[in-house]
Amino acid sequence: SQTIHQWPATLVQPVGSPLSLECTVEGTSNPNLYWYRQAAGRGLQLLFYSVGIGQISSEVPQNLSASRPQDRQFILSSKKLLLSDSGFYLCAWSEGPYEQYFGPGTRLTVT
Amino acid sequence: KQEVTQIPAALSVPEGENLVLNCSFTDSAIYNLQWFRQDPGKGLTSLLLIQSSQREQTSGRLNASLDKSSGRSTLYIAASQPGDSATYLCAVKLGGSQGNLIFGKGTKLSVKP
Repeated sequence: SQTIHQWPATLVQPVGSPLSLECTVEGTSNPNLYWYRQAAGRGLQLLFYSVGIGQISSEVPQNLSASRPQDRQFILSSKKLLLSDSGFYLCAWSEGPYEQYFGPGTRLTVT
Repeated sequence: KQEVTQIPAALSVPEGENLVLNCSFTDSAIYNLQWFRQDPGKGLTSLLLIQSSQREQTSGRLNASLDKSSGRSTLYIAASQPGDSATYLCAVKLGGSQGNLIFGKGTKLSVKP
């Protein structure tokens, strides 16, 4: 069966510090991978998605970037965090354009 | 631009009641629609997925329907239990898109024992 992992589970970072969130998927090959953000009082927003290694599409211009160095690894990064980057970050995977499955999420607080 | 709306934003019911959660979307050209459950501080659990060619899907006490032409979906929960308390999210996938799920803001359900 497939599983998806995210770490860390929670993170408190000062403004201006770098960020690296990691997501890995087990039990599948060549999945589509997604990063979403859920901010307080707002819906889930798609940030990035990837259909293969090195292939990243950005949905929203922002202070963040994504990379896919391996088939089942998806990384969300920032060089300098802003207060507005605070939120709940969720990674998801799917086989093609089908049902999406979500990870446990990372709670990021920028202080 | 596709927009997804969920009404009501919050709902409180006594245990055992049957209930319906509503989801509407503005553009009927969707690929599929997915219902999720989110517990506080947790990730999303997929409940049901309805392809654009389908009218409904069932899983246990849950039944989801889709009316593409009117831009509506409902999630029916039978014989509600306190364990059903969570936020329920509806999301539509745009036609022809590999990535984009558009989410509603959810309905927060509380089932009182």
